[in-house]
Amino acid sequence: QSALTQPPSASGSPGQSVTISCTGTSSDIGGYDYVSWYQLHPGKAPKLLISEVSKRPSGVPDRFSGSKSGNTASLTVSGLQAEDEADYYCCSHAGSNYLYFGGGTKLTVL
Amino acid sequence: EVQLVESGGGLVKPGGSLRLSCAASGFAFSDCHMNWFRLAPGKGLEWVSSISAGSNDIRYAHSVKGRFTVSRDNGKNSMYLQINSLKDDDTAMYYCAREAPGWARDYWGRGTLVTVSS
Repeated sequence: QSALTQPPSASGSPGQSVTISCTGTSSDIGGYDYVSWYQLHPGKAPKLLISEVSKRPSGVPDRFSGSKSGNTASLTVSGLQAEDEADYYCCSHAGSNYLYFGGGTKLTVL
Repeated sequence: EVQLVESGGGLVKPGGSLRLSCAASGFAFSDCHMNWFRLAPGKGLEWVSSISAGSNDIRYAHSVKGRFTVSRDNGKNSMYLQINSLKDDDTAMYYCAREAPGWARDYWGRGTLVTVSS
């Protein structure tokens, strides 16, 4: 069982927006602004999409955005495209416990 | 271009050992903290270990402490993970990743598969 809770699946049609939630506690998500999101395509290297809750690394489309409220972080994918179909993982710094991940969300583009 | 390439995975019997390698290029490896992660079938990503640039700060997940040993050779731009006393639960794709500001990991390799089975 993962320390952070994500829905196992999410879906949307091309052009729509989808939001994936990630719920933790005050010891991880709620306690630090160090939430990151990763995209995993089979056979490829994981890709950093969002760092520090809402920062987008160079090269990541602005269709991807992150936010946080209390103990819950969210990743929103706007203008869904076929290539967005992948697994998405949230991650949070957790003090001396270091890093926690969510269980992953499989995003399907219908 | 930043590249991380893992190697050394394979099929090993329970109780066996493997040494994973991560070859880095395209950046100042000796200046960067590095990490190992794993993704087991049907499970989520898991942080395994981290090593600071100068190898003076090393950490492990509780699940692997005492069985896994991380090391690096800055002269060879490489990081290693010695995994001993392997269990079925250690079956996973193992990834190396570069640590970035804000506790993120900005570059990852494609992984090397470790399968533990009798």
